[in-house]
Amino acid sequence: QSALTQPPSASGSPGQSVTISCTGTSSDVGAYNFVSWFQQHPGKAPKLMIYEVNKRPSGVPDRFSGSKSGNTASLTVSGLQAEDEADYYCSSYAGSNNYVFGTGTKVTVL
Amino acid sequence: EVQLVESGGGLVQPGGSLRLSCAASGFTFSSYWMTWVRQAPGKGLGWVANIKEDESEKYYVDSVKGRFTISRDNAKNSLYLQMNSLRAEDTAVYYCARAAFWTFDYWGQGTLVTVSS
Repeated sequence: QSALTQPPSASGSPGQSVTISCTGTSSDVGAYNFVSWFQQHPGKAPKLMIYEVNKRPSGVPDRFSGSKSGNTASLTVSGLQAEDEADYYCSSYAGSNNYVFGTGTKVTVL
Repeated sequence: EVQLVESGGGLVQPGGSLRLSCAASGFTFSSYWMTWVRQAPGKGLGWVANIKEDESEKYYVDSVKGRFTISRDNAKNSLYLQMNSLRAEDTAVYYCARAAFWTFDYWGQGTLVTVSS
């Protein structure tokens, strides 16, 4: 399975919004509403931020939101805060109990 | 509180074997699928394998099929990954994660596997 495509980097000033795209195919992102987003700070384990395209686990701020259109999913972080600076990875169910991750996006808070 | 603690990583020569373990606590381990995900140094995440609650189903990424075996012991609340015929490209931090809602909702801190001569 090929990795989902994400932009290598994204940035924004505190208080602004940043949107990260995640492009797959009609066999993964386009086929299932099982897209997730993970936040990873340096040297730390990934943390689930969004699942099933747009659902937030308990404890995740509502500044984080997800959406999907066709083969592309997106994560939007509104009201950027310094602690949002991290790597973000999307993932999608790809059928037959297989999963695929995105290439990762480094978000910088200017 | 859900906790996942991996162990067993280390330095191994190409062609060698290693067995990773993941100790789970804070939830009913036997009620969840479990997963291994890896991350090569400076690289992105990659799904490796997952296993059903009762071990009746196991799935692997193509690159590890025939070399890696995922297993679990529900009596010991533990997940395992037996890795044989290791290659340099298997060098990575290996994370165990709980699978739920078609995603991975809790992760361990990871254990580093280095394949090098």
